[in-house]
Amino acid sequence: QSALTQPASASGSPGQSITISCTGTYNDVGAYNRVTWYQVFPGKAPKLLIYDVDNRPAGISVRFSGSKSASTASLTISGLQTEDEADYYCNSYTTSNTYVFGTGTHVTVL
Amino acid sequence: QVQLQESGPGLVEPSGTLSLNCDVSADSFIGDQWWSWVRRPPGKGLEWIAEIHHGGTAHYNPTLWSRVTISVDRADKQVSLSLSSVTAADTAVYYCAKHRAFTFEVWGPGTMVTVSS
Repeated sequence: QSALTQPASASGSPGQSITISCTGTYNDVGAYNRVTWYQVFPGKAPKLLIYDVDNRPAGISVRFSGSKSASTASLTISGLQTEDEADYYCNSYTTSNTYVFGTGTHVTVL
Repeated sequence: QVQLQESGPGLVEPSGTLSLNCDVSADSFIGDQWWSWVRRPPGKGLEWIAEIHHGGTAHYNPTLWSRVTISVDRADKQVSLSLSSVTAADTAVYYCAKHRAFTFEVWGPGTMVTVSS
C-alpha cells in the first residue's frame, strides 16, 4: 500500500492559518470517514489531534480542525502559535482492513 | 489513564529477528480492544506495522506481512511483535498504540531498535 500524500512542509507566521492536505485513494481516505491526524515532536510519541475526519479529542485546542472532500483530507491550524511547530501525519483505515499513514508535513512557524 | 511501555533489545544483527513487547497497564486490558505497532525510521515518516484484537484476530501491513507476527497475552497484559530477517531499513523507533475504534488513541513512549553488526 502506498503512503498518503502530504506536502513535505508548510509554514506561516504567528496568528495565521495553514492547511495541510492528505491525498489518498478510493480505497482509503475516500472509502470511510476514518481519517486521523497526529502531531509529533522530536523524540516524542505521536499525539492524537483529530479523529474520524473532524473530531477533536478532549484537551485538543479548537485551533485544530479537520475536513475531507472525496479522497483528500485536510488539517487546518488556525491562529498559528510557535508551539505548533512540529511534524503532522494523517492516517486512514483502508478497505483491506489495514492502516496507512501520510508522508508527513513539517510545520514551521516563521 | 492507560499506560503503555515498549521494551526491546536495542540492537539486532542483520538477518536476525527483532522481538518487542508492550506492557499494558492492568485496567486497560479489558473489553473489546485492538492494539497496533507503528514505527518511525530515523528521518522518515510513520509506518503502521500490524494490529491485533484481544481475541487474536490480526491484520498486517502488506509490505511487511511475510516477516511480521503480532500476538497478545492477556494473562501477562502484553502485546508483542516479532520481525524476522531484519536489515538496516528496519532501524526505527517502535511504538505500540491502543485503539479507540479506528484511532490510535494512546501511544507508548517508543523503543529504539538499531539493526547493525
